[in-house]
Amino acid sequence: SAVISQKPSRDICQRGTSLTIQCQVDSQVTMMFWYRQQPGQSLTLIATANQGSEATYESGFVIDKFPISRPNLTFSTLTVSNMSPEDSSIYLCSVGTGISFYGYTFGSGTRLTVV
Amino acid sequence: KQEVTQIPAALSVPEGENLVLNCSFTDSAIYNLQWFRQDPGKGLTSLLLIQSSQREQTSGRLNASLDKSSGRSTLYIAASQPGDSATYLCAVSSGNTPLVFGKGTRLSVIA
Repeated sequence: SAVISQKPSRDICQRGTSLTIQCQVDSQVTMMFWYRQQPGQSLTLIATANQGSEATYESGFVIDKFPISRPNLTFSTLTVSNMSPEDSSIYLCSVGTGISFYGYTFGSGTRLTVV
Repeated sequence: KQEVTQIPAALSVPEGENLVLNCSFTDSAIYNLQWFRQDPGKGLTSLLLIQSSQREQTSGRLNASLDKSSGRSTLYIAASQPGDSATYLCAVSSGNTPLVFGKGTRLSVIA
């Protein structure tokens, strides 16, 4: 299965600023997924990032707030823009490679605190 | 729309006890089901993957079963240890689509 390197692992940011989270995969994958996990909650899908096309956002998430880049088949970034304390969450990227046999793999997560 | 429910929400057991975590899903047309472990403030570690054609998977002290027709899965942990303390998440996939997660079971194993 794929191995994902996610950076940063954690950050404390001032409100109104932006943070870009990076995910690097050790193999080429078609789709990458970005999730948010608010404190005490399960994972909620933000968007699906396809290489060479615009990301597809889930209801309640918009590109202006969470712009995503997918420049190639092994890399993606998620930016959390104009942050507020409500954005404090764990953000995770995920890929599925050989889904039938390996399922989905997740990055180690970015723990974001907005003050 | 697929919905995944996990019961119980939290569980506290003494060390050495065998335990069962439950997961149910509303749409039986799944591709596979995956159990994950999450330590506080961390990412997800895949524990077991069960394809829709399979009934169970085993890894060490963990055994996961799947009854696709009834929309249920269980994760059995044998001889629990304090190191097993974590949140356990169940998620289902319907092909090349994002996973749908349950809210998890928070497990505490007391020495």
